[in-house]
Amino acid sequence: QQQVKQSPQSLIVQKGGISIINCAYENTAFDYFPWYQQFPGKGPALLIAIRPDVSEKKEGRFTISFNKSAKQFSLHIMDSQPGDSATYFCAASWDASKIIFGSGTRLSIRP
Amino acid sequence: SAVISQKPSRDICQRGTSLTIQCQVDSQVTMMFWYRQQPGQSLTLIATANQGSEATYESGFVIDKFPISRPNLTFSTLTVSNMSPEDSSIYLCSVTTRGRNEQYFGPGTRLTVT
Repeated sequence: QQQVKQSPQSLIVQKGGISIINCAYENTAFDYFPWYQQFPGKGPALLIAIRPDVSEKKEGRFTISFNKSAKQFSLHIMDSQPGDSATYFCAASWDASKIIFGSGTRLSIRP
Repeated sequence: SAVISQKPSRDICQRGTSLTIQCQVDSQVTMMFWYRQQPGQSLTLIATANQGSEATYESGFVIDKFPISRPNLTFSTLTVSNMSPEDSSIYLCSVTTRGRNEQYFGPGTRLTVT
C-alpha cells in the first residue's frame, strides 16, 4: 500500500515532442504528489507538485494530470528539449512528512 | 527553498571502516531526512533525523549501522558504520520547512566501499 508504481522505466522522445510519465498509488492517505528531476551526479530537484483536490497543474512546459478516482497521476513535458534529458521520479507523501518515491524514468530527448 | 550542503561530496573507503556524512542547511527547517540511492535505483528513506532525540528508522535500517545525530535545526550527520561493498551508494539528506510539504535535497555523498 505504500508503493508508488512508475512507468515506463525509460523513454526516448524526439526534440519538440511530448514526454509522458505515469504513476499509480494505492494509499488514499497520500495528500501530496511531487515530481523530481535528477541529473547525473546531482540530488533530486523538486520540479512540480499537486494535491488531490486539483485535477491538473501546469508550470511552463510541465503539467501534472491527476485522476483521484483511478489513483493515477502523470507528468507531461511539452516541447521536450535535450536539456530535459534526466531521470524523473514521481512521489507521494502524507501529512507533510516522509516521501515515497517511484522507481524512476530515464528520459532521453533526441535532437 | 533551502540551500543544502553535504560533506564530503564523495569518498572511497575500506571495508570495515566508518564514514560520517554531514548535512548543513542555510535556514531552520522542520524535518531532516536521510536517503540512500543505490546506483541506477530510486531513493530509499533510511531515517528521519529528530532534533535532540533519537532518529526514527525505516524498516531494514538500524541505529547501530546508521547512527544519526541532529544537534540543532540546521545540521545533521549520518554515519555509515562497519562498511561493506554493499554500502556503496549515494547518500542524500533532505529537508522540509515548517508548514510546507516541499522537500528539498542536498547534492548527495557518493560512497564507494572497496
